[in-house]
This record gives sequence, C-alpha cells and structure tokens, in this order.
Amino acid sequence: GDSVTQMEGPVTLSEEAFLTINCTYTATGYPSLFWYVQYPGEGLQLLLKATKADDKGSNKGFEATYRKETTSFHLEKGSVQVSDSAVYFCALSGGGADGLTFGKGTHLIIQP
Amino acid sequence: EPEVTQTPSHQVTQMGQEVILRCVPISNHLYFYWYRQILGQKVEFLVSFYNNEISEKSEIFDDQFSVERPDGSNFTLKIRSTKLEDSAMYFCARDFRPGQGTGEQYFGPGTRLTVT
Repeated sequence: GDSVTQMEGPVTLSEEAFLTINCTYTATGYPSLFWYVQYPGEGLQLLLKATKADDKGSNKGFEATYRKETTSFHLEKGSVQVSDSAVYFCALSGGGADGLTFGKGTHLIIQP
Repeated sequence: EPEVTQTPSHQVTQMGQEVILRCVPISNHLYFYWYRQILGQKVEFLVSFYNNEISEKSEIFDDQFSVERPDGSNFTLKIRSTKLEDSAMYFCARDFRPGQGTGEQYFGPGTRLTVT
C-alpha cells in the first residue's frame, strides 16, 4: 500500500536558520502530495500542495517540489521564525474518495 | 471558504459506552472523511464518505464504527462500544472542491475523545 516516510524529530533550529524536512513516498499511480502543519493544541492546516511531477508548492515562505524520480517532496524554508514551531506532516492522496496517507510527523522547534 | 465544525470539542466516556461525534460541513460538498490521531502519533485515515455512502475505509474502521449523514447536514461517526485504545483526536475533513475528490482536504478542529 501507499506509505510516507519523514525524517524523525524533533528538529531544533535557531531563528533565521534554513530548514529542510525530508519526505519520501511510495505509491501506485501518480498521487498528489501535501504538507500539513499542526500548531500546538490545534487541528491540521494545509500548508502547501503539488499535484504532478516537477510542480512546486509554496506558502508562507515554505516550498516543496514534487520529485517523481526520487519519490520525494522535501519541505524547505530559507529563514525560520519562532512562530513556525509546530508539527509538520507530509501526506499523499490518490484523489477521489481516497483518504490521505500521512507520515509520522516532524516536530519542529525554533529557538529565538 | 469556512472549514468544517465539529462537536463536541471534548468527550469523556466510560469504556463500553457508545459515542457519537458530529461534523457540520458545507452542505454542497460530497466528499467527507474521518481521521484519528492517537496522542503523539500520526494521523490515520478511518473512512471516506461520498454522496452519502461509505466509499473507502481502512483496517481501523471495524464493525464498532459507523458513519452516516442522517439529515443531509450533520455527518456523524459512531463508536458503538468504546475501548480505552479509542482515546484519540478525531478529525472530520471535507474535500476542497464541492463536487470533486481532489485529495486536497480541509480539516475541522477535532474532537478529543477520552475513554476511561
């Protein structure tokens, strides 16, 4: 079945550091890929998406590129802020009525 | 567009009791989903609901679970006889587009279920 693998956390960075959170996937067909963010005590929010190979999703300074050849969708941000502290989930979907398949999540801690 | 709303925000129940979790989506959406997240763990798909019928379900969604949309508005998840391991956050989600399943889903705030 489909699966998503993310780098283990927690990831601790200083403010203004460069962020990369790795995500790789296995899936049949051509899934859509997503990053969701969960702030403390809150639900899941869609951060960005990419629906086909070589698409780049971006939002709030975060970016991720759908790499079919490496089956990856790594999340990057050039300069993180304390407010970016949260748990980040990589996910995929085949569309239609398919549920999202999530990775285990990466807890990001940004220190001032 | 507003996200879905869920009630209650927190439900405490005793083992063996039935619980009903509610989700109030925008009425013209056709694709809905339930997920759960055990504390500190990943989000797991339970079931999808398309055009008022179950479309997909995971291994977690066994006979103790059921979903329905009894009045065309509220979308409910029922757990017939709760177990301690059912303690989790339960999220309802809708698809981004009203009549399509794009895979892009928007989540409600969740219901925290505590089974004692």
